[in-house]
Parts: sequence; C-alpha cells; structure tokens
Amino acid sequence: DQQVKQNSPSLSVQEGRISILNCDYTNSMFDYFLWYKKYPAEGPTFLISISSIKDKNEDGRFTVFLNKSAKHLSLHIVPSQPGDSAVYFCAASSNNNAGNMLTFGGGTRLMVKP
Amino acid sequence: NAGVMQNPRHLVRRRGQEARLRCSPMKGHSHVYWYRQLPEEGLKFMVYLQKENIIDESGMPKERFSAEFPKEGPSILRIQQVVRGDSAAYFCASSPKFVHQPQHFGDGTRLSIL
Repeated sequence: DQQVKQNSPSLSVQEGRISILNCDYTNSMFDYFLWYKKYPAEGPTFLISISSIKDKNEDGRFTVFLNKSAKHLSLHIVPSQPGDSAVYFCAASSNNNAGNMLTFGGGTRLMVKP
Repeated sequence: NAGVMQNPRHLVRRRGQEARLRCSPMKGHSHVYWYRQLPEEGLKFMVYLQKENIIDESGMPKERFSAEFPKEGPSILRIQQVVRGDSAAYFCASSPKFVHQPQHFGDGTRLSIL
C-alpha cells in the first residue's frame, strides 16, 4: 500500500528548460509535504516544503505546487541546470501525537542534459 | 559544519553477527528518525526517538532490531543476528521539533551482509 507515489521513474530535460516532477498521495491526513534531492552515496538533501494550508511555495529556482483536491503535488525547477541531475523524492507527513515520520515516494531520476 | 553525522559509512558483517549503526543529530535537534532504503526503492521509516524515549517504532521489524537514543551520546540502531535481507542503506535524520519542520539527513550507513 503505497501512500506516496512518484509514477515517473526518470525524466530527461535539456539545460535551461523547466523540469516538472510529480507526486501523488492517498492519505488525506497528510498535511506537510517535502521534496528532497539525493546524489549517489549521499543522504537526501532537503529542498523545499509546503504546508497543506498553502497551494504554492517558491524558493529561487524551485517551486512546489499542492493540489489538495487531487492529492497531487509537483516540483518545478526552472531553469534546469546539469547540477540538478539527481534522484528526487517527495515525502509527506501528518501532524499527529506520534511525531511526523516521513512517508517517501519511490523517487524520480532527473537527468539535465547540457 | 554540524550536520547529522553517521558512522560507520560502510559496514560489512557476516550472517549471524551484530551490526551497530551510530547517529549524532544536528546541534540543537532533539528528535531522531531512522530510515532504511533498499536498492531502487524509496526510504522507509523505521523508528522515531527523543532523548531516552522511543516515540514510534511502528516501522521497525519486531525481532532482531532495536534502537536507543541515550541521554548522552549518539543514537544507536542495533541489528542482531544479521541476515542477507538486512543489506541496505540506513539513514538517520534529525529535526528540532516534530511539527512541520524538515528533517535533515546524514549520509547513511551502507550495510552489506556476506
């Protein structure tokens, strides 16, 4: 039972163009969403997050959009750079008394071609 | 750079031996999470701890696995009588508090079972 899904295992984009990574979730209790970037042999690096009370959050080249009715979020990277090539994970959590453990999607490998 | 520190980075054990993985959270962080990543998969939550307390261990196998976060010293994830299926990357994350704060990850321990 995958509560967070990233249906595209890979994405290839030309340098300078927009990269759009998608993520769907099923648990309506999730109220906080995050994107992480991961290079091989390193830990995930936090990129950007969004609370369920918002529908958009922007930080430099990175923008996250949240559509609660569709249970869908996306990460836009513009302009894409070769250094953005990595695996991107979306993650979700819910505010409950047990803490905010993260539920991760399976990841999307982004390749930005020069 | 007082990031999340994990050691060892690589650990090789024979079947039946014990594995001990250590994690020192970021300075000022009192919440520690352990995740496991199997090859080509996303990260899966194992356990959430605060100092001297296990808050949520719902993702941890019932047998052979244990975790602690003592008053002094790092958090320890302990796997007894390791089997080949325990081969994975184990990541530790920390956050300052649990509500809507991004978790910051260490670079992981890659456990290989011979």
